[in-house]
Amino acid sequence: AQSVTQLDSHVSVSEGTPVLLRCNYSSSYSPSLFWYVQHPNKGLQLLLKYTSAATLVKGINGFEAEFKKSETSFHLTKPSAHMSDAAEYFCVVFSTFGNEKLTFGTGTRLTIIP
Amino acid sequence: GAVVSQHPSWVICKSGTSVKIECRSLDFQATTMFWYRQFPKQSLMLMATSNEGSKATYEQGVEKDKFLINHASLTLSTLTVTSAHPEDSSFYICSARVGSSGNTIYFGEGSWLTVV
Repeated sequence: AQSVTQLDSHVSVSEGTPVLLRCNYSSSYSPSLFWYVQHPNKGLQLLLKYTSAATLVKGINGFEAEFKKSETSFHLTKPSAHMSDAAEYFCVVFSTFGNEKLTFGTGTRLTIIP
Repeated sequence: GAVVSQHPSWVICKSGTSVKIECRSLDFQATTMFWYRQFPKQSLMLMATSNEGSKATYEQGVEKDKFLINHASLTLSTLTVTSAHPEDSSFYICSARVGSSGNTIYFGEGSWLTVV
């Protein structure tokens, strides 16, 4: 079984300040982990993914995430928030063994304060 | 990069009619596609996993006779909502897995269905 917990349903930061969106996971197998972003009324865009290579993963738009196995975490960060970052962010776990499904977190809504 | 296209983006249909939503992988082959439903301000709910050339695997609680899924080729999966009712109104999103064993998955832009 696998699960994903996004610890914050809503995060607000000021433009130009750092962003931290938290994600913890559980998986019976070595998982692949993803962060997706969804802007209003849009589909999901892949920000970055971890697939058992480097633990620090760099994605698009200045985002990065660090896989910490000991903490079962995959937090998403960005050094400096931009107004265009306002969106819903989903942490997702995928296992290619056993039951091959994407399991979604409940999402974190990021608000950027001008 | 890889692109997944959904069509239509918006559709309104009358109660009792059927509507088809297409999901296409534009520059890669997708043995497996996934269909999700998303309610406002909620996460995505997996409805079914669509495998090319075989029957879809539905999640518990999803009516397979109501939500017909066909994956006739490596680049196309369709979701048909049959005898639609207002409670079927939702945002439907598909995703496609790159290759047969990869772990890269791309999502479509989603399709808004409104049943009146």
